[in-house]
Amino acid sequence: AQSVTQLDSQVPVFEEAPVELRCNYSSSVSVYLFWYVQYPNQGLQLLLKYLSGSTLVESINGFEAEFNKSQTSFHLRKPSVHISDTAEYFCAVSETQTGANNLFFGTGTRLTVIP
Amino acid sequence: NAGVMQNPRHLVRRRGQEARLRCSPMKGHSHVYWYRQLPEEGLKFMVYLQKENIIDESGMPKERFSAEFPKEGPSILRIQQVVRGDSAAYFCASSPNGYSGNTIYFGEGSWLTVV
Repeated sequence: AQSVTQLDSQVPVFEEAPVELRCNYSSSVSVYLFWYVQYPNQGLQLLLKYLSGSTLVESINGFEAEFNKSQTSFHLRKPSVHISDTAEYFCAVSETQTGANNLFFGTGTRLTVIP
Repeated sequence: NAGVMQNPRHLVRRRGQEARLRCSPMKGHSHVYWYRQLPEEGLKFMVYLQKENIIDESGMPKERFSAEFPKEGPSILRIQQVVRGDSAAYFCASSPNGYSGNTIYFGEGSWLTVV
């Protein structure tokens, strides 16, 4: 069974400052890793994912995440945040060997960008 | 935009009534997933369906909840005799196949309030 821990439930940060949203996971099998973003009253949108290859993955809007197998982490970072980045961010994992896309989500981190 | 369509977006039911939530997957997608998001919690997997088949319902409560994805028409999540604890956001997602690691696309959710 997998579990996902997002240690920070809320992260306030000033505009143009850097941010890191932490995600740690636990699994007895190999996993794929995802970050989803949820804007108010909307569904989740995929931000980025790690399947294999380079451990550093990037999104089109400046976010990046690095898969660290030894630390079982997949922290999300952005060097300079914008007001529009205010949203809830969910880390998720799914087993690589199952045929189903069952995503196990963390409890989310609410990022608030302060002008 | 032929994204995942969910309706109704908001639904209010009195205790004991039935709630029906509908989900039309993206065009070309034959795999549907239902997730529930309770207040201040992450999304929890409920059920995974293909056309006319339930593949995995390990996250579904044993009583009062059922899901279907008929050959024609949308997927339906049905909650009978609703209770206050059923108040939550219910998200549907779809994918073209069931391979782990594929991006699944979420709808905007159906918010159920039980009064």
